[in-house]
Amino acid sequence: AQSVTQLGSHVSVSEGALVLLRCNYSSSVPPYLFWYVQYPNQGLQLLLKYTTGATLVKGINGFEAEFKKSETSFHLTKPSAHMSDAAEYFCAVRGAPSGGYNKLIFGAGTRLAVHP
Amino acid sequence: DGGITQSPKYLFRKEGQNVTLSCEQNLNHDAMYWYRQDPGQGLRLIYYSQIVNDFQKGDIAEGYSVSREKKESFPLTVTSAQKNPTAFYLCASSPGPKTQYFGPGTRLLVL
Repeated sequence: AQSVTQLGSHVSVSEGALVLLRCNYSSSVPPYLFWYVQYPNQGLQLLLKYTTGATLVKGINGFEAEFKKSETSFHLTKPSAHMSDAAEYFCAVRGAPSGGYNKLIFGAGTRLAVHP
Repeated sequence: DGGITQSPKYLFRKEGQNVTLSCEQNLNHDAMYWYRQDPGQGLRLIYYSQIVNDFQKGDIAEGYSVSREKKESFPLTVTSAQKNPTAFYLCASSPGPKTQYFGPGTRLLVL
């Protein structure tokens, strides 16, 4: 079965500090992995995704993530936090196909706070 | 502009009332989805549809119904059988299995 664990429901960093949001997954099929960001009362916006190929994936707004198969991890990083990065972040993994359909399985989310 | 629209932004439901949430996309995507979001629980799949006139139950379909009469539209009805409907509802669409794109959401509140 597929599952996603996001370590830390709340993360707080100073402006300019490194952002590290952790995501571990389990998957019975080759994983497709995703990070989405959600601002208050808005939908989810895709930050980046890993499907195949290069394991270091770059996304929007200066974020990147590295797929590590041996650690079953897909942690999200940004070298220098900005106040506008304050939001909730969701990691997701593709589920096993069923009837030709691949569902997305989401983690519980990590709320990132950025303080001056 | 291409995208996914959801309406209304806020919806109030009275006891015993059915309400319908709208989701429209002009991305020409075949697949559409409805998710429910509760604080601290991530997103849970309610229903999905891969093609017109076909849809499947997700993980929490009880108390909900959908239709898919047009490729662009996938409305969700929250029926009176859903005893705890207060949540943020998100619609998504995808061209294939790799990426889902989300609408802005509808917040449903019970009066």
